[in-house]
Amino acid sequence: GEDVEQSLFLSVREGDSSVINCTYTDSSSTYLYWYKQEPGAGLQLLTYIFSNMDMKQDQRLTVLLNKKDKHLSLRIADTQTGDSAIYFCAASSGAGSYQLTFGKGTKLSVIP
Amino acid sequence: NAGVTQTPKFQVLKTGQSMTLQCAQDMNHEYMSWYRQDPGMGLRLIHYSVGAGITDQGEVPNGYNVSRSTTEDFPLRLLSAAPSQTSVYFCASRGEGSIQYFGAGTRLSVL
Repeated sequence: GEDVEQSLFLSVREGDSSVINCTYTDSSSTYLYWYKQEPGAGLQLLTYIFSNMDMKQDQRLTVLLNKKDKHLSLRIADTQTGDSAIYFCAASSGAGSYQLTFGKGTKLSVIP
Repeated sequence: NAGVTQTPKFQVLKTGQSMTLQCAQDMNHEYMSWYRQDPGMGLRLIHYSVGAGITDQGEVPNGYNVSRSTTEDFPLRLLSAAPSQTSVYFCASRGEGSIQYFGAGTRLSVL
């Protein structure tokens, strides 16, 4: 089945850019997602990208997809302390692309 | 504008007790699913449903039952709780546009 991998920790200074990386194994994954989870809270969808796209930008967020290498990245420009959270990469799988396989999450710490 | 509602938010059980985690959505979504989140493990799919009357197993279904009698509701049942089921449980539903909406979660401790 699908396997999604991401680094566990990232620390950046406030105002710098953050880049969180993710790799997946199933080349048939149709949609790839980034979710944010703050302490004690549920999952908030940040953005998603369709597999036929290379890049998607939404305000401070930029998603890059390298389908050949099955590599996804999330760039957060001008990182703020409020961006401190766990970020999950997820890939759709299964018939109808309904099922999501999640990475273990990257904990982003922003240093003031 | 409720979205996906999960109850209860917190629950403590003793080993062997049974309980039902409730999940309801008001977006008329056909697809609903249950995940559990454990430290350092990400989210793992327990069961899912593609519509009323249709359910299927995910990655970690053992110890859990589900049913889907209506579009709105997708309860998750623990028949005989075990300490290994201590976790945070999330319900999700998916509609048009490939977006999955998650509930706030139920934090379950089994002693």
